[in-house]
Amino acid sequence: QSALTQPRSVSGSPGQSVTISCTGTTSDVGNYNYVSWYQQHPGKAPKFMIYDVSKRPSGVPDRFSGSKSGNTASLTISGLQAEDEADYYCCSYAGSYAVVFGGGTKLTVL
Amino acid sequence: EVQLVESGGGLIQPGGSLRLSCAASGFTVSSSYMSWVRQAPGKGLEWVSVIYSGGSTYYADSVKGRFTISRDNSKNTLYFQMNSLRAEDTAVYYCARGYYDFWSGTFDYWGQGTLVTVSS
Repeated sequence: QSALTQPRSVSGSPGQSVTISCTGTTSDVGNYNYVSWYQQHPGKAPKFMIYDVSKRPSGVPDRFSGSKSGNTASLTISGLQAEDEADYYCCSYAGSYAVVFGGGTKLTVL
Repeated sequence: EVQLVESGGGLIQPGGSLRLSCAASGFTVSSSYMSWVRQAPGKGLEWVSVIYSGGSTYYADSVKGRFTISRDNSKNTLYFQMNSLRAEDTAVYYCARGYYDFWSGTFDYWGQGTLVTVSS
């Protein structure tokens, strides 16, 4: 199972919006709506941010939103804040028991 | 409050064995889908194993045949027995809880991680 493809880095200024893409295949992202996103600050554990493509767990700000089209899922962060600077990982169910993560995207808030 | 606390990491020589533990509180491990996810230094996340609430176990190809996931219901603890360790197994190992009461590869709670370094 190959890793999902994410851009290595994205950046934006405070208040702006950024979108992180996550491209898979018809075996994972394109075939299941079990796409989730995780935020990871340096030296910390990943944090659950989005599940089932576009749902937000309790406590996650509505500035974070998710979507999917075909084999590509996306995470959009609007109204960027300094504390959003982190690494972001997408994850998809890939059938049977398999799970695949993206390579991660470093978000820099300028 | 849900908490996951890993332990057991350390420096081990290639070919050696190590057992990681993940002590859970605030929920019942045996009723959940529990996974191990690892992260090599400076790299991304890699799912490596899951144990279903029913007890079935599954592994990524990279660790299949060398690593074993298990749990002790009386201690509410998840384990990861790692044998025949290789340099490429060097990583922070996280235990994580599955979000749903079925397996979907979605993780809602993560431990703080434990570092395993395989080196001579």
